[in-house]
Amino acid sequence: NAGVMQNPRHLVRRRGQEARLRCSPMKGHSHVYWYRQLPEEGLKFMVYLQKENIIDESGMPKERFSAEFPKEGPSILRIQQVVRGDSAAYFCASSPQVHQPQHFGDGTRLSIL
Amino acid sequence: GENVEQHPSTLSVQEGDSAVIKCTYSDSASNYFPWYKQELGKGPQLIIDIRSNVGEKKDQRIAVTLNKTAKHFSLHITETQPEDSAVYFCAALGVGGSSNTGKLIFGQGTTLQVKP
Repeated sequence: NAGVMQNPRHLVRRRGQEARLRCSPMKGHSHVYWYRQLPEEGLKFMVYLQKENIIDESGMPKERFSAEFPKEGPSILRIQQVVRGDSAAYFCASSPQVHQPQHFGDGTRLSIL
Repeated sequence: GENVEQHPSTLSVQEGDSAVIKCTYSDSASNYFPWYKQELGKGPQLIIDIRSNVGEKKDQRIAVTLNKTAKHFSLHITETQPEDSAVYFCAALGVGGSSNTGKLIFGQGTTLQVKP
């Protein structure tokens, strides 16, 4: 079985551009979670989605950040008008149910020039 | 707010020795505690987890213990090997209102070095 797939693995953007990060959950998993990891730090929760629904976005910055998990296709984390402070590794995880173990992808490393 | 504290931040052991990493959590309603291993350039890999209805769980050289009263849990790795070298994260499942939200609250991580 394929694991959680994230792409791109590395993304470079200039300040002011948009970044789109994609996550395909494991087969059979309908719950998706996004986390952000700054260098030398732990992971910080951003958002939890089920198909077509945002369940918990308490960790998402109020501006410039959005997430979706459409009926068909991968989950997307979108960052508009990126700034230097957005540079981080963004990880996606999935689980079959909310109380089941979360399995992570290898992340997208976002660099802002 | 919800918080997980992890110690130590770095740990160096000789091959064959045991390693112990400890975490404390703030929300007494948390009921699920996974441990992840992260290698350089990779995503966190789930290595073991424990739910609040048990006090200990073991999987080969890895064990986790949970003390609900004291709100702390520990990872124990026995007979360490160089390939155990990585960053280890503990986490607690956040609780929002009357149900779990799916949000994992992570500790700050422990860099484990196993010397051959």
